[in-house]
Amino acid sequence: AQSVAQPEDQVNVAEGNPLTVKCTYSVSGNPYLFWYVQYPNRGLQFLLKYITGDNLVKGSYGFEAEFNKSQTSFHLKKPSALVSDSALYFCAVLNTGGFKTIFGAGTRLFVKA
Amino acid sequence: EAGVVQSPRYKIIEKKQPVAFWCNPISGHNTLYWYLQNLGQGPELLIRYENEEAVDDSQLPKDRFSAERLKGVDSTLKIQPAELGDSAVYLCASSFSSDTQYFGPGTRLTVL
Repeated sequence: AQSVAQPEDQVNVAEGNPLTVKCTYSVSGNPYLFWYVQYPNRGLQFLLKYITGDNLVKGSYGFEAEFNKSQTSFHLKKPSALVSDSALYFCAVLNTGGFKTIFGAGTRLFVKA
Repeated sequence: EAGVVQSPRYKIIEKKQPVAFWCNPISGHNTLYWYLQNLGQGPELLIRYENEEAVDDSQLPKDRFSAERLKGVDSTLKIQPAELGDSAVYLCASSFSSDTQYFGPGTRLTVL
């Protein structure tokens, strides 16, 4: 069965420190990988995606993500967290065979001032 | 450029009543999605349209849910009759050729 796992329900980090939000997946083939962010009472907003090429992908608001094929992981990172980064983050995987997108359960990020 | 528009933003109904949600995707986006999102969870696909054709409705509870995308632009999702367990946020998203999805703000449904 195809799945996306975000092993941490919540990540806490101090402002100015680096942050990592983890994502691993089990999807056949060469899927597209995405990160979305959701603020309260809002829809999901696209942050970045990996299709092919360089394993380090840069996205919006200073976020980046590292693709690791052998570990089937796509962790979201930011060198210096801001309080305004506090939100719910979703990893998503698009199976290019059936064009079906699977979302993880989400990780809540708290950045303390 | 206008984003994905959804209405209403909030809806409160009694159980067994019907309810409908409307979505207008980003202009030029041929793929439209309806998702259900429960509190603190990821979106779960209900139905995906390519233009006016429903290409994936395997997770749509067809006994009470229906959807349409006439003319391949805006779309309506209906529940009839609503049950208590249908309380959730209903998200609409659109994309060009099933790539990056752009989401609307969602409709929060409360069934009493």
